[in-house]
Amino acid sequence: KNQVEQSPQSLIILEGKNCTLQCNYTVSPFSNLRWYKQDTGRGPVSLTIMTFSENTKSNGRYTATLDADTKQSSLHITASQLSDSASYICVVSEEFGGGSQGNLIFGKGTKLSVKP
Amino acid sequence: GAGVSQTPSNKVTEKGKYVELRCDPISGHTALYWYRQSLGQGPEFLIYFQGTGAADDSGLPNDRFFAVRPEGSVSTLKIQRTERGDSAVYLCASSFSLAGLNEQFFGPGTRLTVL
Repeated sequence: KNQVEQSPQSLIILEGKNCTLQCNYTVSPFSNLRWYKQDTGRGPVSLTIMTFSENTKSNGRYTATLDADTKQSSLHITASQLSDSASYICVVSEEFGGGSQGNLIFGKGTKLSVKP
Repeated sequence: GAGVSQTPSNKVTEKGKYVELRCDPISGHTALYWYRQSLGQGPEFLIYFQGTGAADDSGLPNDRFFAVRPEGSVSTLKIQRTERGDSAVYLCASSFSLAGLNEQFFGPGTRLTVL
């Protein structure tokens, strides 16, 4: 069964510190992996999208890594800010034929709280 | 509009009633998706459209759920004979097309509460 598992479930860090969130997946065939940030009461917003051939991608203070061999990804947040408090969701896309993106399989998310 | 909009933002209904949730995608986006998100969970896929047709409705939990997109733009998710277990946030997203790495842009969701 295609699954996406994230850890930790929740995390509390102090403002200015770095943190790393983990994502393991069993989705096959794999098309791409995305990290989303979801603020409370809002829809998810895309941070990064990576294909099979990419092993790192940055978006400001967010850096995502992908190891397609071990089917693991991480999201590293540098110099955290209070506004980083949100749920971070790992999403893996199945590949249908012809390169279409297929279905998205969502993890349950990691709830990050950044404290002053 | 600038983004995906969903109405209503909140809907409270009684068990057994019928509800309709509306999604206005970003103009020009041909692909539209519906998801359901329960508290503390990630979004769960329900259905997606390419144009007017449902490309995949395998996520709809049962025949009480139905979605339409008659003109290839606005979509309505319809739930008949609502049950308390239907309470969740219903998210809509749109993308330029189904192909490739087209990013999905999400709306703010409709919070459905079935009493």
